[in-house]
Amino acid sequence: GAVVSQHPSWVICKSGTSVKIECRSLDFQATTMFWYRQFPKQSLMLMATSNEGSKATYEQGVEKDKFLINHASLTLSTLTVTSAHPEDSSFYICSAPGRGDYGYTFGSGTRLTVV
Amino acid sequence: AQTVTQSQPEMSVQEAETVTLSCTYDTSESDYYLFWYKQPPSRQMILVIRQEAYKQQNATENRFSVNFQKAAKSFSLKISDSQLGDAAMYFCAYGRVRGGNKLVFGAGTILRVKS
Repeated sequence: GAVVSQHPSWVICKSGTSVKIECRSLDFQATTMFWYRQFPKQSLMLMATSNEGSKATYEQGVEKDKFLINHASLTLSTLTVTSAHPEDSSFYICSAPGRGDYGYTFGSGTRLTVV
Repeated sequence: AQTVTQSQPEMSVQEAETVTLSCTYDTSESDYYLFWYKQPPSRQMILVIRQEAYKQQNATENRFSVNFQKAAKSFSLKISDSQLGDAAMYFCAYGRVRGGNKLVFGAGTILRVKS
């Protein structure tokens, strides 16, 4: 089946630094990647949609300059949290529409802690 | 815009018993998919079951089945013979797989299984 590999699984960074999260589609070409943020015991909140070779589309209220998304190839999409602050601490998940009728494939998520 | 509502923040079920999780949605489209995802403590999103809107027959996957009422825009999940491993957060989601459209998630229902 379709697999999306997400790294790192968890990361701790200092306030003011940047962190990059990668999502790779291993056995299919992901022309679209969705990036979600999830707080404990809450639902997934869509942050942005990236499409290969074009600029990402951000949801209302999401700072595009803080959450940089790059989708430079059909198998790799990245989310960079710039100048991270403690309030950016959260669980980030990527998801790509799978092949055919396989539905959506999710990465395993990244737990970001900013100290 | 499409919306998905899960009105049960938490549910409990005794092991081996049956439980039903509720979900309603709102859309003006006629062609769409509905999903139930399970998110265990590992936070990996796992597809439980999927229903195509054009199919009248309710989807079934082993112990999991849905009651899809298109006119009422209702999509409930029934878990039979509940097991301890079923304990998780369950999300109902709406989406159109073709075209790479985003999934819209409900708020989620925490399911606890008592032994």
